[in-house]
Amino acid sequence: KAGVTQTPRYLIKTRGQQVTLSCSPISGHRSVSWYQQTPGQGLQFLFEYFSETQRNKGNFPGRFSGRQFSNSRSEMNVSTLELGDSALYLCASSRTSGGLTDTQYFGPGTRLTVL
Amino acid sequence: DQQVKQNSPSLSVQEGRISILNCDYTNSMFDYFLWYKKYPAEGPTFLISISSIKDKNEDGRFTVFLNKSAKHLSLHIVPSQPGDSAVYFCAASDYGGSQGNLIFGKGTKLSVKP
Repeated sequence: KAGVTQTPRYLIKTRGQQVTLSCSPISGHRSVSWYQQTPGQGLQFLFEYFSETQRNKGNFPGRFSGRQFSNSRSEMNVSTLELGDSALYLCASSRTSGGLTDTQYFGPGTRLTVL
Repeated sequence: DQQVKQNSPSLSVQEGRISILNCDYTNSMFDYFLWYKKYPAEGPTFLISISSIKDKNEDGRFTVFLNKSAKHLSLHIVPSQPGDSAVYFCAASDYGGSQGNLIFGKGTKLSVKP
């Protein structure tokens, strides 16, 4: 079956702009999580959505937001971009939320560069 | 403050030998741990996990050991193969949260030389 897809794969923006990233989970998966990966901080949890509701949120400013649609597809938005937002943004999906043995499957990520 | 630490940024091992990747954690509430493998230009792939009720979990060439008193876990790969060359991330969660809220280490880059 098709894996987690993320679009776009690469994005270049300038400071102050906003950006929207998209994630399509594996068919049948209802939980979508977002992570930010940078060389200095590693992989950091942004937020998790399940059945269109945000279940958990990481320690990121309010400029980072997300949503999930009824078909489980998810988007994350970053407003007023800063240079430090340059990172690989990873989306992961799983069948349910709260099931610790429910494996998360990651997409290839969106590489965002802020100039 | 980092709650999950992988103190070795890189590790080089000869093909056929054992690879040991280490991970330390500080939060005593963590009781579920996972290892992910990541190739360049791909997302992380789940490898193996262990819960706090166990001290060892094995899956083929991969074994994870958990020492709760030391707040330490390790991943053993035996025998190591060139295809194992990747970045390995240790991650942790607690049963109060969902798996979607994993805390990751910064990764260890494993190079297996033929």
